[in-house]
Amino acid sequence: GQQVMQIPQYQHVQEGEDFTTYCNSSTTLSNIQWYKQRPGGHPVFLIQLVKSGEVKKQKRLTFQFGEAKKNSSLHITATQTTDVGTYFCAGISGGGADGLTFGKGTHLIIQP
Amino acid sequence: KAGVTQTPRYLIKTRGQQVTLSCSPISGHRSVSWYQQTPGQGLQFLFEYFSETQRNKGNFPGRFSGRQFSNSRSEMNVSTLELGDSALYLCASRQGMAYEQYFGPGTRLTVT
Repeated sequence: GQQVMQIPQYQHVQEGEDFTTYCNSSTTLSNIQWYKQRPGGHPVFLIQLVKSGEVKKQKRLTFQFGEAKKNSSLHITATQTTDVGTYFCAGISGGGADGLTFGKGTHLIIQP
Repeated sequence: KAGVTQTPRYLIKTRGQQVTLSCSPISGHRSVSWYQQTPGQGLQFLFEYFSETQRNKGNFPGRFSGRQFSNSRSEMNVSTLELGDSALYLCASRQGMAYEQYFGPGTRLTVT
């Protein structure tokens, strides 16, 4: 079945540094979604990418979808303490028969 | 609009018992998905229902089952509980396959 790998598993940064998490799928994706889960909370939708090579920005967050639609990345510029949490990518391939497949997430830890 | 609600929020059960969890989706959302979240395995897809029909199913044993009612509310049942079933069970609703998911706060199940 479809697999979505996400790296790194943990990332420690100093406040103000940049952060990037990468997502790779074993199959071509029809779209990819990103979610954020704060400690003790539930995943919250951030964005969806659909087109090959698509780049979307939300303030300090930049999301990219690879040309082959098998990989994606999330980059945060100048991290703040409010960015703490786990970032998940989730992909759908083909007709979505397998539902949304989530990566295991990247835990972002920020040291003030 | 009210968000996704899940009941109960916390549950303690004994090995061998069964449990039923409930999820009420956002008004107008006909798709409900269930996920199991554990520190070791991350977010794992259980199943998805759309208009009372199971559309997708993850790789979980038959002890895990679900259903959806005509008002889109969904229930998940786990029979013959095992210690390894201890997890946060998340429900998510969405308008359709290409749309983002909205997660509920989850039910924390502890099996002793």
